[in-house]
Amino acid sequence: DADVTQTPRNRITKTGKRIMLECSQTKGHDRMYWYRQDPGLGLRLIYYSFDVKDINKGEISDGYSVSRQAQAKFSLSLESAIPNQTALYFCATSGVQGGEAFFGQGTRLTVV
Amino acid sequence: AQSVTQPDIHITVSEGASLELRCNYSYGATPYLFWYVQSPGQGLQLLLKYFSGDTLVQGIKGFEAEFKRSQSSFNLRKPSVHWSDAAEYFCAVGSTAGNNRKLIWGLGTSLAVNP
Repeated sequence: DADVTQTPRNRITKTGKRIMLECSQTKGHDRMYWYRQDPGLGLRLIYYSFDVKDINKGEISDGYSVSRQAQAKFSLSLESAIPNQTALYFCATSGVQGGEAFFGQGTRLTVV
Repeated sequence: AQSVTQPDIHITVSEGASLELRCNYSYGATPYLFWYVQSPGQGLQLLLKYFSGDTLVQGIKGFEAEFKRSQSSFNLRKPSVHWSDAAEYFCAVGSTAGNNRKLIWGLGTSLAVNP
């Protein structure tokens, strides 16, 4: 089984719908991240969490919210999806400051 | 501010040729340095990392990278490219101190391999 699991892997949703992307990890890491990847723009950080009670906005948090339900679970929500949120979304974890990140397989989200 | 630059957006090489992907960074001290690879439809996989010590780092899949402090660079190399190396490559920098505890990413270099 993968160390970092994202569900769903693919999702098509309509404009205005609420959608949740889920991430779970078995690495025992405290730090979890949500990134968005768009062609030519690299990885952009949406939110990050260093423990269950520590949630921080990243570069592009507008239109997104997160929930850290447990050390192992970190969910990303789009309260009212819009087409320019169509992208590839990655969850990642890391164990130490500035250290290596471990990525999930990604969720390809299309908003129509 | 910390930043990472990958000057080459897209590179095409022939199979069997050597490869060098460039990465330059801006950081106030010696950072942690990483190279990741993303194959089509996949997540990012760590190729190699530099934390301290020997400035020439060996990674998986025959890749290596050299940290050059004077040039603020961490270029990725491979002596002979295989068709399966076609992918997106990302350089990243991690902080070694202070409150900035996130990885800073370059925009990536897309590698195509001609048969």
